Amino acid sequence: AQTVTQSQPEMSVQEAETVTLSCTYDTSESDYYLFWYKQPPSRQMILVIRQEAYKQQNATENRFSVNFQKAAKSFSLKISDSQLGDAAMYFCACDTNSGYALNFGKGTSLLVTP
Amino acid sequence: GAGVSQSPSNKVTEKGKDVELRCDPISGHTALYWYRQSLGQGLEFLIYFQGNSAPDKSGLPSDRFSAERTGGSVSTLTIQRTQQEDSAVYLCASSSLDNYGYTFGSGTRLTVV
Repeated sequence: AQTVTQSQPEMSVQEAETVTLSCTYDTSESDYYLFWYKQPPSRQMILVIRQEAYKQQNATENRFSVNFQKAAKSFSLKISDSQLGDAAMYFCACDTNSGYALNFGKGTSLLVTP
Repeated sequence: GAGVSQSPSNKVTEKGKDVELRCDPISGHTALYWYRQSLGQGLEFLIYFQGNSAPDKSGLPSDRFSAERTGGSVSTLTIQRTQQEDSAVYLCASSSLDNYGYTFGSGTRLTVV
């Protein structure tokens, strides 16, 4: 099974600034997928971005992008031009496509200040 | 439906009572998952259904917890003889086989008093 580690319990960023959330994972599989989910106070988990391990190009979705370092097993999320609505818990997750459910990190709480 | 639907949204129960939590996944999604999220914590995997295969129950914390999925669609998570430590948000998710991630419901907040 895979493990996912988020070492930053809390982060803070000013509106319009950029913030990077860290995530490392450990898996013995060669084929896997990585995800970042956002959970606002409404508690609805929302998929932010997805990365396929076999792709070298970093995924981007509008203001959200990842820095995927496969050798280092690192998968950080960069939020550019932060907005008040970005305030939420962010969870990193890994799916090895081996019949196991997604394994999530413990989350990073992001505070966005005006 | 358009999304994953969970009911009830909130449930308060007395210690020792049984509760049933319902999840209605996205139509056509073959996989269904239950997670538990305690206050301020991450997601703890409980159980995973995939098509007609035997479910992966490896995350169920005790034999008081059980789940079933009828007709490959709706799932019910049952907690018997509830304890205060069962208080948490119970999240359900479903997915297809394309590894595009899960779609989550809004969860059921269970409070055992």
